[in-house]
Amino acid sequence: DAKTTQPPSMDCAEGRAANLPCNHSTISGNEYVYWYRQIHSQGPQYIIHGLKNNETNEMASLIITEDRKSSTLILPHATLRDTAVYYCIATLSGGYNKLIFGAGTRLAVHP
Amino acid sequence: DSGVTQTPKHLITATGQRVTLRCSPRSGDLSVYWYQQSLDQGLQFLIQYYNGEERAKGNILERFSAQQFPDLHSELNLSSLELGDSALYFCASSGPQWASGSNEQFFGPGTRLTVL
Repeated sequence: DAKTTQPPSMDCAEGRAANLPCNHSTISGNEYVYWYRQIHSQGPQYIIHGLKNNETNEMASLIITEDRKSSTLILPHATLRDTAVYYCIATLSGGYNKLIFGAGTRLAVHP
Repeated sequence: DSGVTQTPKHLITATGQRVTLRCSPRSGDLSVYWYQQSLDQGLQFLIQYYNGEERAKGNILERFSAQQFPDLHSELNLSSLELGDSALYFCASSGPQWASGSNEQFFGPGTRLTVL
């Protein structure tokens, strides 16, 4: 699995977009970018994933650069409930691949 | 609610003891993963089972073992417990879309183990 690098912490005002960057310069061609988040000590929660195209779902958008060396997770209208640690993971797809978590980005959304 | 259940929620025990953590995956999911989260190590992958067979191993200590039963529930056994084993233990499951589908893993609420 490719190594990912994320800023340790970020702040965002409630209602504004939160843009969380991730660097994965050694990602291989068949590795996807996955984003999970962990709110307090709850189990991590899947957010979104992508290979090379930008992706959007009801939770967030994922923008992957053309060279695939970095990506940005966008929470369009952050709420206080989005305060969490966000993990960017590069891994193969398929139902039998472990997740290697880094330190993640601690996002604090404030009023 | 992810559909993954873990029991017990909390476990307090003494050093040298043995405990068993239990996980029931989402209905239909064949893969079960175990992760350990301690304050100093973060979230670490321990072991994975797929349809009853061990599929991948991570940083799992020899004192720890796991298995997945025919009904697909899984148990993580921790023995000769040490203070440093105190952590949150998460179980996750993923579905049968292994051909080209998502590697979305659904995590349970975790078991908090405290070793005194």
